Amino acid sequence: QSVLTQPPSVSAAPGQKVTISCSGSRSNIGDNSVSWYQQFPGTAPKLLIYDNHQRPSGIPDRFSGSKSGTSATLGITGLQTGDEADYYCGTWDSSLSAGVFGGGTKLTVL
Amino acid sequence: EVQLVESGGDLVQPGGSLRLSCEASEFTFSSFYMNWVRQAPGKGLEWVSYISSSSRITFYADSVKGRFTISRDNAKKSLYLQMNSLRVEDTAVYYCVRREYDAFDVWGQGTLVTVSS
Repeated sequence: QSVLTQPPSVSAAPGQKVTISCSGSRSNIGDNSVSWYQQFPGTAPKLLIYDNHQRPSGIPDRFSGSKSGTSATLGITGLQTGDEADYYCGTWDSSLSAGVFGGGTKLTVL
Repeated sequence: EVQLVESGGDLVQPGGSLRLSCEASEFTFSSFYMNWVRQAPGKGLEWVSYISSSSRITFYADSVKGRFTISRDNAKKSLYLQMNSLRVEDTAVYYCVRREYDAFDVWGQGTLVTVSS
């Protein structure tokens, strides 16, 4: 059981937009910044979004992040088949003094 | 290229010990907080441990507290994870991860730890 809650799967057609939610509590998302990671099978995760909505160098602006209260959202526009991957949200939990992740969301581009 | 390379993963019996290492390159290792994150087969990411740049502060997940010890040698640009009293549920790929901007921004390729009799 993950501290942060994500939908197990989402799907959309190529070219469309999809959003992935991440729900937490005041001690984690409420008090700390959220980051998002993309992971392809057999490879290490890759940072997509940090500080709730910032993109590292090299990440296309098709990827966006937002946070409101104790929830965060990853948005992906102009979906491509190459975006099919697992996506994880993460943050720090101030009460647990621990890093926490969501359970991951598998994106399927139909 | 900024890089983290883990080593030390192996097959070990329940109750055994293992020490993971991670060597950093192309960045000022001593300036960054470092972490271990693991992923059991077919499962999601689980944060394991954190160490501050000076080693003064460490944190652990409840699942490994008292059994795992994180440490670093800034002169050798290396991060370590000493794992004792290993359990079957510790089986996972272990990633060495740099922390920057309150995010995990650089990941190693991972090293597989299998705990089985």
